[in-house]
Amino acid sequence: DAGVTQSPTHLIKTRGQQVTLRCSPKSGHDTVSWYQQALGQGPQFIFQYYEEEERQRGNFPDRFSGHQFPNYSSELNVNALLLGDSALYLCASSLGRDREVYGYTFGSGTRLTVV
Amino acid sequence: DQQVKQNSPSLSVQEGRISILNCDYTNSMFDYFLWYKKYPAEGPTFLISISSIKDKNEDGRFTVFLNKSAKHLSLHIVPSQPGDSAVYFCAASAGFYGNNRLAFGKGNQVVVIP
Repeated sequence: DAGVTQSPTHLIKTRGQQVTLRCSPKSGHDTVSWYQQALGQGPQFIFQYYEEEERQRGNFPDRFSGHQFPNYSSELNVNALLLGDSALYLCASSLGRDREVYGYTFGSGTRLTVV
Repeated sequence: DQQVKQNSPSLSVQEGRISILNCDYTNSMFDYFLWYKKYPAEGPTFLISISSIKDKNEDGRFTVFLNKSAKHLSLHIVPSQPGDSAVYFCAASAGFYGNNRLAFGKGNQVVVIP
């Protein structure tokens, strides 16, 4: 049973460019959440997708957007990249219908470096 | 605004001894708390959790204590093993359902010395 799969594992982009990160949830999970972990910090909640809609959003600018597909996989898009966007981006999947929080399964992350 | 705080970024402990990690939170709406363990190049993995209706939860070598009045929780690992060397994150949620966002602390690096 595959867990959460994220791609790519590493990425280098230039300031001002746009990036798309991808996530396939654990089998049986229908909710995908994205977190940003800057160096030396804990993960920060970006947003969550359920039934192909953004259900919750953290304190991130509109440059951060996402999408969920009918097969529950998800994309995170970041436009107009800034140096401060350099971080590890974690995807977490879960069941959205009243399941306990420890049902979260995290992927290994995508390391984004903006130069 | 850091709603979950973990001080003492790193901890070194001898194998077989107790590791104690502390966590403080500021948001009174938090009622479910979790500890995650993270190895390099891997995502966080769930370790143990506690609901605000309890003050202690134990799972094998891991015990979490919650002091609601002080908005403080701690994780005890005993006995510590070399495989416990990792970064430990404290996380909190308002509610304990799978659609609730998690607020994380900055993490504690634990090194267990054989």
